[in-house]
Amino acid sequence: SQQGEEDPQALSIQEGENATMNCSYKTSINNLQWYRQNSGRGLVHLILIRSNEREKHSGRLRVTLDTSKKSSSLLITASRAADTASYFCAPSGGATNKLIFGTGTLLAVQP
Amino acid sequence: DGGITQSPKYLFRKEGQNVTLSCEQNLNHDAMYWYRQDPGQGLRLIYYSQIVNDFQKGDIAEGYSVSREKKESFPLTVTSAQKNPTAFYLCASSSGGVRTEAFFGQGTRLTVV
Repeated sequence: SQQGEEDPQALSIQEGENATMNCSYKTSINNLQWYRQNSGRGLVHLILIRSNEREKHSGRLRVTLDTSKKSSSLLITASRAADTASYFCAPSGGATNKLIFGTGTLLAVQP
Repeated sequence: DGGITQSPKYLFRKEGQNVTLSCEQNLNHDAMYWYRQDPGQGLRLIYYSQIVNDFQKGDIAEGYSVSREKKESFPLTVTSAQKNPTAFYLCASSSGGVRTEAFFGQGTRLTVV
């Protein structure tokens, strides 16, 4: 089934630094979504990028998509302690209606 | 106030008992999903529904059952056949299935005692 694999599994940075997380997938997609999860809470949608888009911005978030490499990256600029969370990607494509997530990247931003 | 609500937040169950987790949404979404999350792990899809009166098994449906009799409701029953039911359960809904963003509830933490 269509599932993304996030890399790295864990990332620790200082406040003010940029954080980059990657997502790789195996089959063709129509779109790819990124979500964030604070500990013990539900997921919150961050951004959706379609297969014909290469880059998308939302505030301090920048998402890129390279369909030839079957990969996406999420960049958080000027990170804050409040960005500490797990980040998941969800690639979607074909006829499937399953919304599948990987194991996520755990980001820790040290104040 | 639109949203998706899961209840209860914490649930304790004795071994051998069935238990039902509630998920209600007032977003008028057609698609709804149930996930299981174990400590330090990602989300695994249990069941999903694209429309009322229809649902499909996800990747780990064994020991679980669902119903979708109303658009706004998608309850999940954890049966006694589920060998290791202690986990964090998340419900989500979306208007356009995988083509649009999903909205998540705050989760139910189930503990078998």
